[in-house]
Amino acid sequence: GAGVSQTPSNKVTEKGKYVELRCDPISGHTALYWYRQSLGQGPEFLIYFQGTGAADDSGLPNDRFFAVRPEGSVSTLKIQRTERGDSAVYLCASSSYGGNEQYFGPGTRLTVT
Amino acid sequence: AQSVTQPDIHITVSEGASLELRCNYSYGATPYLFWYVQSPGQGLQLLLKYFSGDTLVQGIKGFEAEFKRSQSSFNLRKPSVHWSDAAEYFCAVGEGNTPLVFGKGTRLSVIA
Repeated sequence: GAGVSQTPSNKVTEKGKYVELRCDPISGHTALYWYRQSLGQGPEFLIYFQGTGAADDSGLPNDRFFAVRPEGSVSTLKIQRTERGDSAVYLCASSSYGGNEQYFGPGTRLTVT
Repeated sequence: AQSVTQPDIHITVSEGASLELRCNYSYGATPYLFWYVQSPGQGLQLLLKYFSGDTLVQGIKGFEAEFKRSQSSFNLRKPSVHWSDAAEYFCAVGEGNTPLVFGKGTRLSVIA
């Protein structure tokens, strides 16, 4: 079956611009996670959805970052007033209800110039 | 707070040699432990996981890992490395549906 997909695969934007990153989880997975991976680092948690609601957004670095999952499936990570320090690979993962394994998408590489 | 330490940033092994990648964790309860592999430009692929029971777990691609509670370790091993194993390896800890905490990764290079 189809895995987790993320679009775009690459995004280059100018400092100060707004960007949206999309994640399509595995069909039927109720939990969805966003992570950020900076160069040379492991993935770091940003936000976690169970269904439509954010169960934990403690990893969002500041209020420029926001994510939604309005219908409990596709999620969009939104970054306002991008900064060069936001450049990273943004990973999305999903898991089934009560599941213990997270399945990752290929990521979106964001470059802020 | 949960944390994961991978002491080795970069390891080089010869093809056919054995491999051990180290992982130490800090966790308040019985952890769920994972090893993921990431090839250049790719997402994370789950190699193996430990939840409970037998402390030696088998994974895909011939990898295994051993959970040692007394040492707070979950080291990854492979008896004979192939050139295609060259990648970045991440150890992670979590519980149930909670977000994972990852180590910084170990980059594996394989030489002929």
